[in-house]
Amino acid sequence: KQEVTQIPAALSVPEGENLVLNCSFTDSAIYNLQWFRQDPGKGLTSLLLIQSSQREQTSGRLNASLDKSSGRSTLYIAASQPGDSATYLCAVRGAGGTSYGKLTFGQGTILTVHP
Amino acid sequence: SQTIHQWPATLVQPVGSPLSLECTVEGTSNPNLYWYRQAAGRGLQLLFYSVGIGQISSEVPQNLSASRPQDRQFILSSKKLLLSDSGFYLCAWNKYNEQFFGPGTRLTVL
Repeated sequence: KQEVTQIPAALSVPEGENLVLNCSFTDSAIYNLQWFRQDPGKGLTSLLLIQSSQREQTSGRLNASLDKSSGRSTLYIAASQPGDSATYLCAVRGAGGTSYGKLTFGQGTILTVHP
Repeated sequence: SQTIHQWPATLVQPVGSPLSLECTVEGTSNPNLYWYRQAAGRGLQLLFYSVGIGQISSEVPQNLSASRPQDRQFILSSKKLLLSDSGFYLCAWNKYNEQFFGPGTRLTVL
């Protein structure tokens, strides 16, 4: 059974810092990995999607890497801003025809960026 | 473009009352649809998924049921709510690769 772990559980940084959020998964047979952002009381916003054959994806100040063989992904946020404060969730989609796109989520990292 | 709607946004219900949460998707056809629950202090748990009209798979045994009467409509129901059914319910859709989520319904059972 796939298990996804995110470290740290919470992170508080001053504005302007570069930071790294970590995600690990136990079963390397994945189809893709997705990073989400969740603001309090809101739904999830997709940030980046990395296919299993890819090593990284970039969107603006965000960069996500994937090392499938070691079961790890990192989300790098450059020049953090107070507006980046949110919970960041990592989710993996299993490979194989019976996965039906189901995602297994980590518990999330609560990020606070203070001015 | 594709959008996903959920209603109601918030709901307060007494224990033992029925439940019906609705999710609709616009701008796509034949999507895979999912219901997740996010309880306080816990991660997202997949409850049901559907790959087509009338096709429902349950991931965990529980007091809830799901139905898909139309291609882009997914309904979460209960005949009698329990206190443990409280949480944030999220509907999501997926086609090909990326999964997208709705705004969620906050359910409080008293």
